[in-house]
Amino acid sequence: GAVVSQHPSRVICKSGTSVKIECRSLDFQATTMFWYRQFPKQSLMLMATSNEGSKATYEQGVEKDKFLINHASLTLSTLTVTSAHPEDSSFYICSARKGGGAYNEQFFGPGTRLTVL
Amino acid sequence: AQSVSQHNHHVILSEAASLELGCNYSYGGTVNLFWYVQYPGQHLQLLLKYFSGDPLVKGIKGFEAEFIKSKFSFNLRKPSVQWSDTAEYFCAVNGQGGKLIFGQGTELSVKP
Repeated sequence: GAVVSQHPSRVICKSGTSVKIECRSLDFQATTMFWYRQFPKQSLMLMATSNEGSKATYEQGVEKDKFLINHASLTLSTLTVTSAHPEDSSFYICSARKGGGAYNEQFFGPGTRLTVL
Repeated sequence: AQSVSQHNHHVILSEAASLELGCNYSYGGTVNLFWYVQYPGQHLQLLLKYFSGDPLVKGIKGFEAEFIKSKFSFNLRKPSVQWSDTAEYFCAVNGQGGKLIFGQGTELSVKP
């Protein structure tokens, strides 16, 4: 199997604080992980590609200083939402790509619901 | 620009009805196409994928999809839906560098 976990599953924070979300591949190594954002009743929007040992690649319009990504090991990537504001409230989903091929299957985590008050 | 469009936002069917969900994509390169399903409260799961070869792809749980290159389409079908098929369905295409580009999603509600 290929299991991806996220922690926490749900977080509520005050405006101005920072929140860290973890994404782990439990039974495989992932040199590449992806972070998505999903608004209610809408699609998944790719925010950034996280590469182990190197800087993340951000999609156009995504603030890299606000959404800090660290991929310190082959099984863990973290997304930190800095100075969170209510408009950052959303469902954040990560995926991990199994194997080195660019078109290998991605396995998705269960998501993290962030609510900023 | 790469994009994926799903025609139906919400589909309501009775059990045993046939299902077809539309998906069109816009991408100039070689395409790899996917359908994912998200059951209520669960994570995205891969239903099926097309990389090459037979354009009629069979996936899990009785789903299939047909890649029609001339129409830039990859519609999802199932001959007879069940209540347990109630979920959100996403079509996706592999873009440059293997990034997944998702459609807007289609919510399927199956009445028992």
